[in-house]
This record gives sequence, C-alpha cells and structure tokens, in this order.
Amino acid sequence: DAGVIQSPRHEVTEMGQEVTLRCKPISGHNSLFWYRQTMMRGLELLIYFNNNVPIDDSGMPEDRFSAKMPNASFSTLKIQPSEPRDSAVYFCASSLVSGTKNQPQHFGDGTRLSIL
Amino acid sequence: GNSVTQMEGPVTLSEEAFLTINCTYTATGYPSLFWYVQYPGEGLQLLLKATKADDKGSNKGFEATYRKETTSFHLEKGSVQVSDSAVYFCALSDLTGGSYIPTFGRGTSLIVHP
Repeated sequence: DAGVIQSPRHEVTEMGQEVTLRCKPISGHNSLFWYRQTMMRGLELLIYFNNNVPIDDSGMPEDRFSAKMPNASFSTLKIQPSEPRDSAVYFCASSLVSGTKNQPQHFGDGTRLSIL
Repeated sequence: GNSVTQMEGPVTLSEEAFLTINCTYTATGYPSLFWYVQYPGEGLQLLLKATKADDKGSNKGFEATYRKETTSFHLEKGSVQVSDSAVYFCALSDLTGGSYIPTFGRGTSLIVHP
C-alpha cells in the first residue's frame, strides 16, 4: 500500500516567495496532521484535520501560514511570504480515528524547505 | 496539559551493547503510548505501542512496558546493531479538546559503533 506522499521533497526559494507544500494521506485515513521539525524546537504540531475539517490550528506560527484540505486525499500547507526562519523539515502524517485513542500516525518522508 | 520527557542524547553505544532510553509522561487522561523511530532523511515510523497499564509493546528486538505507577515507558533492546542508529521519539495519544492528538518527546539520537 502507498504511504503518505509529500511533495516536493526539497524546496529552495528566496525570502518573500510563496511556498506550497503538498500531502496525499493514506487512503481511508480520516485525520491529517502537519508538523515542522527543527533542531532547536524539535517536532511541532502545526495543524490537525479530522474528516477534512481543521480542528486545531493553534500551532500555526503566524498568519503567513495557512493550510487547507479540500478533500480526503489532498492537503496543502502554504507560507506567504516566506522568511529564512521558516527553514525546516515539514512532515505530513495521517491516521484513522475510529473512536479509539491507540491508532498510530503514519508519516511522509517530509519536505526539506530552505528559505534564502 | 500533556507532556513527554525523554533523556537527552546522543546515546553512543558499541554494537551488541544493551540499550535503555528513558521516557516519562504527564497526561490528564489515560493515554496510549508509542515509540517511533526516524532514520536519516525519512519520516517517523511506528516502532511499538502499548494501550494500557502493564502492556508490553515489542518489535524488532525493542521492548517497552507501560508503567502507570511511574508514568514511564522506557525503551530497551538487549543487543543493538549499527543499523539501529536513528532518532527515537516517545509519544502519547490522549483526548485533548475533544480530539485524540499525539504529544511527542524531543527525540533521542542513538549512535551505534561497530
């Protein structure tokens, strides 16, 4: 079975540019998470969707960050305008929430973002 | 709120040594507990899990026991290999604001030398 698919794997762009990260969750999963990983701050949860609806976006650092999930098989994380401090690895993860709490998350391989 | 505390790394061992990575947690409810592993350039992968007190999760020679009385979930392996070199994350999943949202530790880097 295909896992969580993220694109692009690497992105290098200049500050001020718009960046769009993409994620395709595992088919049948109904929860989707966006994370940011840096050496300084570790793994941070940015936003969480359940059945395509954003549930908790308290981790989104600023208004420059936005995320959408137009359907069950696709999500985007957008940064506009981008800044050098946004440089990090961004992970998407999905899971199946079925009323129990012990479902693990399945992570994509991440997008390594560098803002110059 | 919920939190997970892991021992700081890196942990450096020789091949075939015994491994322990400590993990303790704070949770408002009765969480499920997980260990994930991250190899270089990859995302996190589930290593093992436990859902209730005294459960032991195990996989690939790694084990961890859910200790409710000490709020701990320490990861152990009897004989590590070079291929076990990775970053290990302890995590819990608990009801938060009406949804089951995971909480991750900072991760512990393991380096195994031949």
